[in-house]
Amino acid sequence: GAVVSQHPSRVICKSGTSVKIECRSLDFQATTMFWYRQFPKQSLMLMATSNEGSKATYEQGVEKDKFLINHASLTLSTLTVTSAHPEDSSFYICSARDAGRGSGANVLTFGAGSRLTVL
Amino acid sequence: AQKITQTQPGMFVQEKEAVTLDCTYDTSDPSYGLFWYKQPSSGEMIFLIYQGSYDQQNATEGRYSLNFQKARKSANLVISASQLGDSAMYFCAMREGWNQAGTALIFGKGTTLSVSS
Repeated sequence: GAVVSQHPSRVICKSGTSVKIECRSLDFQATTMFWYRQFPKQSLMLMATSNEGSKATYEQGVEKDKFLINHASLTLSTLTVTSAHPEDSSFYICSARDAGRGSGANVLTFGAGSRLTVL
Repeated sequence: AQKITQTQPGMFVQEKEAVTLDCTYDTSDPSYGLFWYKQPSSGEMIFLIYQGSYDQQNATEGRYSLNFQKARKSANLVISASQLGDSAMYFCAMREGWNQAGTALIFGKGTTLSVSS
């Protein structure tokens, strides 16, 4: 089945530094990937839609300059949290859909998530 | 307005019993898909079951079944014969216009299920 790899699984950084999270589709191509953010015991909130070869589409209230998304290939999307602050500490999860299966592929596959702690 | 509503923050069930997790949704799009995911404490999102808006029959996957009542806009998850390993957070989600490749899932707030022996 479709596998999405997300790295790193955990990262601790100092306030003011930038952190990059990678999301890779291992056995399929993904023209679109989605980035979610989840606070403890809460729902997954969509941050942005990452489109291969074009700019990401950000949800209302998400700062595009703080959360930089790059989707340079059909198998890789990256989320960079720039100048991280403690309030950016959260669980970030990416997901992807197998583009090769056309409209019949309804299931999004999720990465294992990245837990970011900003000190 | 909430697109996906899960009214049960927490549910408790004994092993081997069945449990129903509620989910109601709101959409004006005639084409949509409804999903249930399980999230254990490790954080991974595990796909459980899918129901398309045009599907005539309720979806089933092993011990999971989806009680789809279109007129009431509800998509409750039924877990039969609960196991200790079912303890986790469960999310109901929807994708509107399910033929569109670029559409994300919208999630409910989740229900924490605790299974006791």
